[in-house]
Amino acid sequence: EIVLTQSPGTLSLSPGERATLSCRASQSVSSSYLAWYQQKPGQAPRLLIYGASSRATGIPDRFSGSGSGTDFTLTISRLEPEDFAVYYCQQYGNSPPLTFGGGTKVEIK
Amino acid sequence: EVQLVESGGGLVQPGGSLRLSCAASGFTFSSYAMNWVRQAAGKGLEWVSVISGSGGNIYYADSVKGRFTISRDNSKNTLYLQMNNLRAEDTAVYYCAKTHSSSWLLSDYWGQGTLVTVSS
Repeated sequence: EIVLTQSPGTLSLSPGERATLSCRASQSVSSSYLAWYQQKPGQAPRLLIYGASSRATGIPDRFSGSGSGTDFTLTISRLEPEDFAVYYCQQYGNSPPLTFGGGTKVEIK
Repeated sequence: EVQLVESGGGLVQPGGSLRLSCAASGFTFSSYAMNWVRQAAGKGLEWVSVISGSGGNIYYADSVKGRFTISRDNSKNTLYLQMNNLRAEDTAVYYCAKTHSSSWLLSDYWGQGTLVTVSS
């Protein structure tokens, strides 16, 4: 099973600032099958990025993903008020089990 | 518009059973694998199970294997999760999720979840 470790646990930033979130895998993620989700309190997760760098339908271009192998990054170029949330990475490989990282909370400084 | 509506959650005693349902609309249900993912209060996301569009391929997380059964009725556009021998650690919000066209394992649309509480 691939273990995903997200850092930092909490990121305190102001609107307009750049956010950089990290996701490190315990072993190489095949074919960059790495996704990022955003979750706000009381809501279901929302797919942001898949295939490490492809934006999902309707996702603003201030969200970008990069990385390969074991190191992946989600970048939010300029934080909007609605971007303050918890972000999870997930690897979805070629076969189960699927695993999620522990999450990074982006909070208003 | 894709819609996923879970139901069937509630309070159950340890050792008891529940069956969750997920009613799907807005897409060709039989063409997509479906996932169940759960989230304990204040905790992260945990994948539970996946079933292919035809129902022929099924996988479970080790934590639920032998106790939970995923199934689907493509004629009713409905996904199910039969949960037996429930434990306190199964307490969570359970989400059903449609998979993305690029991968039968990637979830793109999620329901709002149904709460399962296992307690005496």
